[in-house]
Amino acid sequence: DAGVTQSPTHLIKTRGQQVTLRCSPKSGHDTVSWYQQALGQGPQFIFQYYEEEERQRGNFPDRFSGHQFPNYSSELNVNALLLGDSALYLCASSLEQGLSTDTQYFGPGTRLTVL
Amino acid sequence: GEDVEQSLFLSVREGDSSVINCTYTDSSSTYLYWYKQEPGAGLQLLTYIFSNMDMKQDQRLTVLLNKKDKHLSLRIADTQTGDSAIYFCAESPNDYKLSFGAGTTVTVRA
Repeated sequence: DAGVTQSPTHLIKTRGQQVTLRCSPKSGHDTVSWYQQALGQGPQFIFQYYEEEERQRGNFPDRFSGHQFPNYSSELNVNALLLGDSALYLCASSLEQGLSTDTQYFGPGTRLTVL
Repeated sequence: GEDVEQSLFLSVREGDSSVINCTYTDSSSTYLYWYKQEPGAGLQLLTYIFSNMDMKQDQRLTVLLNKKDKHLSLRIADTQTGDSAIYFCAESPNDYKLSFGAGTTVTVRA
């Protein structure tokens, strides 16, 4: 049973550039959430995708955008990178069952460094 | 993570019990979670508890929930060196997102 996978593992970008991170959900899951984890902090919710639409968003600027594909995989795009965007980006998947907060399973993350 | 608070560090001797504490703010959270993060890795779901329960036991793990005080704890029995990691408490303030604490770094000493 494949778990949540993310690519790439590590990424180095410079300020002002754009980046795309990818996530494949756990087998059988249809919902993908993205979190940002800065060094020494807990993960912060960016947004969640279900049925190819963003259905909730955390306190992040419009520079952060996403997409979900028909096979439930997802991308996170960040434009105009800032030094403060350096973090571990975590993808979590869950199965929508109409229950309050279906259990989320996390991938290994993508470590983004902005120079 | 400002709505969930945890102590930052815990040092425990191998074989002893570890207790990690957490306070949360959203009384409407249906589930409360404990995740484990090892260095350079993602988050591993350890256990969760439904909000109408007081206690849940899962092998070496015991979760206690005091809903009145909005206090959650995780007890790890017979702590091993492999238990050294960062432990995150998370609440579910709505149907979609998890709100995490800053994490408790547990160090197991021989």
